Amino acid sequence: GAVVSQHPSWVICKSGTSVKIECRSLDFQATTMFWYRQFPKQSLMLMATSNEGSKATYEQGVEKDKFLINHASLTLSTLTVTSAHPEDSSFYICSARGHPGTGELFFGEGSRLTVL
Amino acid sequence: QKEVEQNSGPLSVPEGAIASLNCTYSDRGSQSFFWYRQYSGKSPELIMFIYSNGDKEDGRFTAQLNKASQYVSLLIRDSQPSDSATYLCASSMHGYALNFGKGTSLLVTP
Repeated sequence: GAVVSQHPSWVICKSGTSVKIECRSLDFQATTMFWYRQFPKQSLMLMATSNEGSKATYEQGVEKDKFLINHASLTLSTLTVTSAHPEDSSFYICSARGHPGTGELFFGEGSRLTVL
Repeated sequence: QKEVEQNSGPLSVPEGAIASLNCTYSDRGSQSFFWYRQYSGKSPELIMFIYSNGDKEDGRFTAQLNKASQYVSLLIRDSQPSDSATYLCASSMHGYALNFGKGTSLLVTP
């Protein structure tokens, strides 16, 4: 299957700082990537759809000024959590669609953010 | 509201038995359905997808889809302890992001 790489895997930061998470498609071009967030024992919740060369589309309730998404190339999307607070601590996972016809998503390894 | 519902479990089956995981969805416009496996602390990994009514088999896994009943299931034959994980069901309309259920925890006991 398609390979999606995410970095960093773990990050611990102080409250008020910003954290950037990178998501790369390694063996294919992804015009669209999706960012999910998962709290413990909960399902994956879609945060936003990242579109190469245009603005991201955010889901209802997700603050676009807090969660900055940039999709500057066909292989890279970044999520920046600005002014992070403890309630932002979560597992953030990016994904990309490997085959447009079938629609399955391939996930990055995920980034566990802990805000102290 | 597009919802995918799963029993949270845990579902416990003995090694070698068939594990049956079920999922219902509310959006009749959903076209594709996916089963992912997620180990604790790890990212989901795709097991299989299905978009036509009926059964689809891949090794020990069989996905079943009944669009009239808005029901999707996953059967795991010859269950192994390594199959112990949370299984996520997801639905999608073509071109859109996946909508996930909360997952069913499966425990395969030796």
